[in-house]
Amino acid sequence: SQQGEEDPQALSIQEGENATMNCSYKTSINNLQWYRQNSGRGLVHLILIRSNEREKHSGRLRVTLDTSKKSSSLLITASRAADTASYFCATPDTGRRALTFGSGTRLQVQP
Amino acid sequence: DGGITQSPKYLFRKEGQNVTLSCEQNLNHDAMYWYRQDPGQGLRLIYYSHIVNDFQKGDIAEGYSVSREKKESFPLTVTSAQKNPTAFYLCAYSTGGIYFNEKLFFGSGTQLSVL
Repeated sequence: SQQGEEDPQALSIQEGENATMNCSYKTSINNLQWYRQNSGRGLVHLILIRSNEREKHSGRLRVTLDTSKKSSSLLITASRAADTASYFCATPDTGRRALTFGSGTRLQVQP
Repeated sequence: DGGITQSPKYLFRKEGQNVTLSCEQNLNHDAMYWYRQDPGQGLRLIYYSHIVNDFQKGDIAEGYSVSREKKESFPLTVTSAQKNPTAFYLCAYSTGGIYFNEKLFFGSGTQLSVL
């Protein structure tokens, strides 16, 4: 079952611009995570935000979490061509102690 | 490789054939997972294991089987009962403890195609 849904499905921007992608989820969570996937590769963890946090930064990444709206956003500032990848949000299925992933946002950064 | 290795990178299956995908981790973690990814889609959970000799079905376990005889190994068999096996398969481990609030570390994946 898909817990998180990302929006937009695809995003194309120019180098130097900011990229924002959103994630909505359905049930209560204790954390939300964002992952990146380069084409044909495994996923790499980017950032984890806990339910009692509203905003978190890591380098050029900024993640926000609004538990009242059951939504999160990932902002990549000053994007680079190397940021081209798919980005997924993931939420814990505490009953199974596994992660449920959204459908992802495909980001294309034009040099 | 982040301590987790999947092999082979590419695998081809003939009709009626069972194939096995390998997943090995050398960091002594208990929790391991198999996900399936279809083109342009998210990940769907196939099987997971939190301890040796125990594993549980995920959302799409039909046509797949796993074993967990050793802590470091969690192989996935795609059986002939899986009628649409073409996909990208990802194995992962978690550092999470009882409360599972930790991240997953993924292998580099196996692309399975049908001949």
